[in-house]
Amino acid sequence: EAQVTQNPRYLITVTGKKLTVTCSQNMNHEYMSWYRQDPGLGLRQIYYSMNVEVTDKGDVPEGYKVSRKEKRNFPLILESPSPNQTSLYFCASSLTGFNYNEQFFGPGTRLTVL
Amino acid sequence: AQKVTQAQTEISVVEKEDVTLDCVYETRDTTYYLFWYKQPPSGELVFLIRRNSFDEQNEISGRYSWNFQKSTSSFNFTITASQVVDSAVYFCALTKVGQNFVFGPGTRLSVLP
Repeated sequence: EAQVTQNPRYLITVTGKKLTVTCSQNMNHEYMSWYRQDPGLGLRQIYYSMNVEVTDKGDVPEGYKVSRKEKRNFPLILESPSPNQTSLYFCASSLTGFNYNEQFFGPGTRLTVL
Repeated sequence: AQKVTQAQTEISVVEKEDVTLDCVYETRDTTYYLFWYKQPPSGELVFLIRRNSFDEQNEISGRYSWNFQKSTSSFNFTITASQVVDSAVYFCALTKVGQNFVFGPGTRLSVLP
């Protein structure tokens, strides 16, 4: 089944404890992206990647890191999480590196930072 | 800078009513793409439509229709004869090739039986 998977789905952690949220797609998509969703703000793009080894900042990159060493995976790293990073996170992918294609979204990861 | 405004935070309608969700965007680019996504109560995000800036034809898909007007920078979404299953949060989004995606804050639609 074609899909975008994220792990973990739920995570509660404490301030300053490094964490990684994994994202993987099995559709051979070139484009991948991370968003956070907060009430009243919609989805805001954190980072995106047009292809392997190419990443760019979205609107809210501060406090996050990403890497794209292989096509299928695009992990999101919070090196020192803070409570303002408590949010619902979505990973997405689309077919080509031109990001005007339909995006397929993962199921979301709900992160709470205490 | 690009921006998407969805002024309607929440809308409630009774089943079978028609409802229009507004989307107003700002961009300085001449080539751009507009999208609508649906997020039902289960939480997943579902693609509905993509439009490029050179195609102003309205589109209809079943009970859904979209009205793209460059003159007013709007890309409105109408659901005809709404159903309870249409209850969701709807997001309008904007992007340009090679740039980031910008989503609006969303409109929560409740369709009451």
